[in-house]
Amino acid sequence: DVKVTQSSRYLVKRTGEKVFLECVQDMDHENMFWYRQDPGLGLRLIYFSYDVKMKEKGDIPEGYSVSREKKERFSLILESASTNQTSMYLCASCPIRDYPYEQYFGPGTRLTVT
Amino acid sequence: QQQVKQSPQSLIVQKGGISIINCAYENTAFDYFPWYQQFPGKGPALLIAIRPDVSEKKEGRFTISFNKSAKQFSLHIMDSQPGDSATYFCAAPKPRDTPLVFGKGTRLSVIA
Repeated sequence: DVKVTQSSRYLVKRTGEKVFLECVQDMDHENMFWYRQDPGLGLRLIYFSYDVKMKEKGDIPEGYSVSREKKERFSLILESASTNQTSMYLCASCPIRDYPYEQYFGPGTRLTVT
Repeated sequence: QQQVKQSPQSLIVQKGGISIINCAYENTAFDYFPWYQQFPGKGPALLIAIRPDVSEKKEGRFTISFNKSAKQFSLHIMDSQPGDSATYFCAAPKPRDTPLVFGKGTRLSVIA
C-alpha cells in the first residue's frame, strides 16, 4: 500500500515563526502536492512538484515556499507564520504525471498559529 | 481559472436511502473525473473515477453519472449506510495543466 506520512499531526506555532511541514512518500511517485483545507473552502492547492528540485505554484502560494531535494520528500515552509495560515495542511503524491486524479493523501497536519 | 461547483454543501440521508452529490466543471482537456472520500481525522482517499467517454460507472453501491454536454457529473450512493458518513469531494483536471481542482466538498451524514 502507498503510504504518505506527514511529520506532525498537530502543530502550534507563534506568529512570525518559521514553520516546516514535512511529507514523505514511499512509492517512488514523481508528483507531490501540498494543499490546505479550510471549512467551506475545500482543498486548495498551494504548491506542487513533478520532480526533484522542481516546483510549481498552485492557486494560493502566497506566504509559502517548498523544497524538494529528494524524490520521496516534499517540504512546505511558512517563512513567517501568520494567524490566517491556521489550517489543516494535506500532502499528496501521484504516480503518473498525466493522470493526476489518482492522488494519495497523508493524514494531514493541523497547524494553529497564535 | 478552472472551477468546480459542488452541491449540496451538506446532506442528511436516512439509512437505506440514496445520496446524490452533484458537480459542474468548466473546460478541461483531460480524461478523468474523480471523487474522493474523507473520514474525520483522515486524508481524502480516491473513491471512484470516470472517463468522459462513458456515461456511467458503478462500483458496488457507488455510481458516477457523467453528462459531458452539460459538463456535469454526479455521485450516487445507493442503500446509504452510517459508515458512508464522510465528506465527499469531486475534482476535475485543469486545462493545459495537470493538477486537480477540487470542489468545496459535501458533508454527508447517514442517520439510522
